[in-house]
Amino acid sequence: EVQLVESGGGLVQPGRSLRLSCAASGFTFDDYAMHWVRQAPGKGLEWVSGISWNSGSIGYADSVKGRFTISRDNAKNSLYLQMNSLRAEDTALYYCAKGDSSVLEGVGNYFDYWGQGTLVTVSS
Amino acid sequence: QSVLTQPPSVSGAPGQRVTISCTGSSSNIGAGYDVHWYQQLPGTAPKLLIYGNSNRPSGVPDRFSGSKSGTSASLAITGLQAEDEADYYCQSYDSSLSGPLYVFGTGTKVTVL
Repeated sequence: EVQLVESGGGLVQPGRSLRLSCAASGFTFDDYAMHWVRQAPGKGLEWVSGISWNSGSIGYADSVKGRFTISRDNAKNSLYLQMNSLRAEDTALYYCAKGDSSVLEGVGNYFDYWGQGTLVTVSS
Repeated sequence: QSVLTQPPSVSGAPGQRVTISCTGSSSNIGAGYDVHWYQQLPGTAPKLLIYGNSNRPSGVPDRFSGSKSGTSASLAITGLQAEDEADYYCQSYDSSLSGPLYVFGTGTKVTVL
């Protein structure tokens, strides 16, 4: 059974940093691209970042580019999101999601499994 | 940064058929990228409902169906049931000059009357 468990969320002041983690199990982690998707309170889904199976390809939404860094450790079956210079508009539930393929680019890429999310609140 | 447009809400009585549209552009759906659909029940994480425009993952009832044409896609729910009351999102890929970019629809709340 595929399991994705996020951690690291919490209350943080604007301008500070936070690091999210996602522990994966139930599938061959280094065969798949992984992603972070967020959902602000009462709002829709927004793709934040994705990383290919070997970290060779990485992408970011324009809203986080230059502030967030995605990484993975295939030996530990773990995905990370380093979030710097946090803003109030980064407040959201952050989901870890498994890609259906090993790469980021593709005609038909989607997210076939999701974690339960970790809440990040940016406020003074 | 939703670039896929969905109606905010649709409703129907039990047993009826409802459809949700997802309108994109020439850089995403119109460029030939597939459309996928997710169901988000209240207080839960999104769940994959339709992939590759019209394919259902194992366990998804055949009441749910998807289609794509041009720069748009649709999700249909036939024989609407109370448990279908949820938010639904479409998703595709956008060929942005700044790199790989995944885009979601604005979301549609389905209400069972």
